[in-house]
Amino acid sequence: AQSVTQPDIHITVSEGASLELRCNYSYGATPYLFWYVQSPGQGLQLLLKYFSGDTLVQGIKGFEAEFKRSQSSFNLRKPSVHWSDAAEYFCAVGPPQGAQKLVFGQGTRLTINP
Amino acid sequence: DTAVSQTPKYLVTQMGNDKSIKCEQNLGHDTMYWYKQDSKKFLKIMFSYNNKELIINETVPNRFSPKSPDKAHLNLHINSLELGDSAVYFCASTSRETQYFGPGTRLLVL
Repeated sequence: AQSVTQPDIHITVSEGASLELRCNYSYGATPYLFWYVQSPGQGLQLLLKYFSGDTLVQGIKGFEAEFKRSQSSFNLRKPSVHWSDAAEYFCAVGPPQGAQKLVFGQGTRLTINP
Repeated sequence: DTAVSQTPKYLVTQMGNDKSIKCEQNLGHDTMYWYKQDSKKFLKIMFSYNNKELIINETVPNRFSPKSPDKAHLNLHINSLELGDSAVYFCASTSRETQYFGPGTRLLVL
């Protein structure tokens, strides 16, 4: 069965520090991979996605993610976080023929210390 | 120029009532979805429609009935609301690989 694991439920980093949010997936083939962000009381906004090609993908707001097939991982990174990055982050996988059914991880809540 | 919109944003109601949530997308997408986000923030797909045709129906109680009058709209009707239905309901749409989400409807059943 398809599944997504985000091992860290809650992460706290200081403003200006680097960030890495982990995502591991279990899927029969190489899926389409996504990171979404949910600010408090808001909907989900797409940060970035990976379908194929270059395994390092750039997204909005200075985020990037790296797909590692051997580790079944798609970790999200940002070199220097801003207070406005405080939010809930969701990793998701979908079938390679199209995102007909996304499976989400349980989310990682990011807190930024001033 | 909202891409995916939902109404209402908040919904507070009593157990046993029937309520509807509306979703509209102006992206020209063929496929729309309903997701439920529980109190632990876990997101799970409920339904998916493609060009007004139901294509995904996860194990959702019969009290939940989606309706798609046209491919730009996907409404969710819930009968006999229960306390456990309290959640945030998200609508989403896609043309191919990427799903775009609405702002969510926060439902509280008292």
